[in-house]
Amino acid sequence: DIQMTQSPSSLSASVGDRVTITCQASQDISNYLNWYQQIPGKAPKLLIYDASNLETGVPSRFFGSGSGTDFTFSISSLQAEDIATYYCQQYDNLPLTFGGGTRVEIK
Amino acid sequence: QVQLVQSGAEVKKPGASVKVSCKTSGYTFTSYFIHWVRQAPGQGLEWIGVINPSGASTTYAQKFQGRVTMTRDTSTTTVYLELSSLRSEDTALYYCARVRLEYSSSQGFDYWGRGTLVTVSS
Repeated sequence: DIQMTQSPSSLSASVGDRVTITCQASQDISNYLNWYQQIPGKAPKLLIYDASNLETGVPSRFFGSGSGTDFTFSISSLQAEDIATYYCQQYDNLPLTFGGGTRVEIK
Repeated sequence: QVQLVQSGAEVKKPGASVKVSCKTSGYTFTSYFIHWVRQAPGQGLEWIGVINPSGASTTYAQKFQGRVTMTRDTSTTTVYLELSSLRSEDTALYYCARVRLEYSSSQGFDYWGRGTLVTVSS
């Protein structure tokens, strides 16, 4: 199975700050990586697919990059409504696997 | 609009089975794969498996092999997840989720059900 290592596990930032999360795959997954946002009590929401493509309707402050084994997810200017846990997920191989999640809080 | 509506919460005893439904609407049922993902309380996301509603082919995570069955009913555009030999560790919120691209087995999930809480307790 491909292991997805996400860091940090949590972070606290101020409104307007740039926030960055990293995700490392245990083997080359090309760009077969998605990013999800999960607001407490809600189902996950797809933000980024294929490592860098913004899902329809998602604000442009969300950004993804990377390929191979190293990926980055950023929020250019953190908003209060971005409080959530963010997950990376690879789909290069089955079983699909998720990173452990990054909880984002407002300082 | 696309909707995935899941069945209600279940409480089961260890060793029992549970069957969760995911009623879909708003799109061509046989064109989009459906995955099941679970989330234990306070934990992360865990992939269970996938079903192709067109031919009913399935792939399951090794961890659940022998205990999980995914089926579909094209007449009601509903997919089902059945998990047997339940244990306390199976207590979780079970989600169904649709793949964003037609005929793609797994390229990202654009629509999710709200989740079905399955509690396993004696």
